[in-house]
Amino acid sequence: DAGVTQSPTHLIKTRGQQVTLRCSPKSGHDTVSWYQQALGQGPQFIFQYYEEEERQRGNFPDRFSGHQFPNYSSELNVNALLLGDSALYLCASSRKLAGGLNHETQYFGPGTRLLVL
Amino acid sequence: GQQVMQIPQYQHVQEGEDFTTYCNSSTTLSNIQWYKQRPGGHPVFLIQLVKSGEVKKQKRLTFQFGEAKKNSSLHITATQTTDVGTYFCAGVRGSQGNLIFGKGTKLSVKP
Repeated sequence: DAGVTQSPTHLIKTRGQQVTLRCSPKSGHDTVSWYQQALGQGPQFIFQYYEEEERQRGNFPDRFSGHQFPNYSSELNVNALLLGDSALYLCASSRKLAGGLNHETQYFGPGTRLLVL
Repeated sequence: GQQVMQIPQYQHVQEGEDFTTYCNSSTTLSNIQWYKQRPGGHPVFLIQLVKSGEVKKQKRLTFQFGEAKKNSSLHITATQTTDVGTYFCAGVRGSQGNLIFGKGTKLSVKP
């Protein structure tokens, strides 16, 4: 049973470029959340996808967008990269519980380390 | 906005000493989760607390959730070098599902 996988593991980009990060959730999970973790900080919530729609969004600009596919995998896109976008990008998957309450544990992937020069 | 504060930021202990990290939320949480992140790694789920006043134990680790569901703590008894890492609490508010992380407590253990 594979856990959460992410690709690529590392990425180097220059300012102004665009990047796409990918995530495959844990088997049986249907919800994918993306987090940004700057060095020495806790992860910050970017957005969450369920049923191929963005359901919640944190305090991130529109340069950050995403997508979820029918197989529950997800992509995070960041346009017009800034130096401050350098961080570890974490994907977490979970399963939506009946009744709309999402108390299911979120499992994190290994992350993608993005460096913007 | 909603915040989760975590203290201390750093803790250096001698192997065998105890360690505690505290987490406090500005708003009532529906549940709180604890994660451990080793250097260069990703957050690994430790436990979830849901009920007011809940206490859970995992071997040398004891987790508590406050009566008002606004604060939590993680206590490690007799630390070992394998306990090294950053411990994060993450609160969930209502049915939103997204985790609100504290800044973490970085634990170092001197053998």
